[in-house]
Amino acid sequence: QQQVKQSPQSLIVQKGGISIINCAYENTAFDYFPWYQQFPGKGPALLIAIRPDVSEKKEGRFTISFNKSAKQFSLHIMDSQPGDSATYFCAASGASGSARQLTFGSGTQLTVLP
Amino acid sequence: GAGVSQSPSNKVTEKGKDVELRCDPISGHTALYWYRQSLGQGLEFLIYFQGNSAPDKSGLPSDRFSAERTGGSVSTLTIQRTQQEDSAVYLCASSSHYEQYFGPGTRLTVT
Repeated sequence: QQQVKQSPQSLIVQKGGISIINCAYENTAFDYFPWYQQFPGKGPALLIAIRPDVSEKKEGRFTISFNKSAKQFSLHIMDSQPGDSATYFCAASGASGSARQLTFGSGTQLTVLP
Repeated sequence: GAGVSQSPSNKVTEKGKDVELRCDPISGHTALYWYRQSLGQGLEFLIYFQGNSAPDKSGLPSDRFSAERTGGSVSTLTIQRTQQEDSAVYLCASSSHYEQYFGPGTRLTVT
């Protein structure tokens, strides 16, 4: 019930291409869906997040698409750059008392070829 | 302003020893979370503090793990009698509402 399933495990795209990472969740109590970017040796950095009252959110080259009925959300990276090469994690949280701990997907290792 | 800081960045310890990991959250953030990142288990929640309320310890894997938060700010995660399976990166995050901001983590290696 608490799982967040992420795919693909790894992704290779050419510079300038579109990177798409997908996540699916089961717990309908989740109400906040962030994406994190992590470089080797660093902590996860918040990239972009969405609430279920909207179907899409765009920030620069990064877009989240959200499908509440399918319980799925995805990250699109437009015009992918070699500097985008990192591991990306989707996550979800919902209020449990006052706690909002994140449940993470398993991660996607993105490689953008120059 | 300053982000979340953690110390030490790396810790190597012998099996059976106790270790303490420290987290300094972003100033003004009332919520603090500890997570563990390991190859086998991914990123998993450990414990949550909110203000002066009792912590949510539901993610702690065993009673060898404990944490405290002093003065609503700095937090210390303590692992007693460390085991090899405790080897992981321990991450701290702080939050004022929905968004959680992570520190760089402490890489713990138990030999």
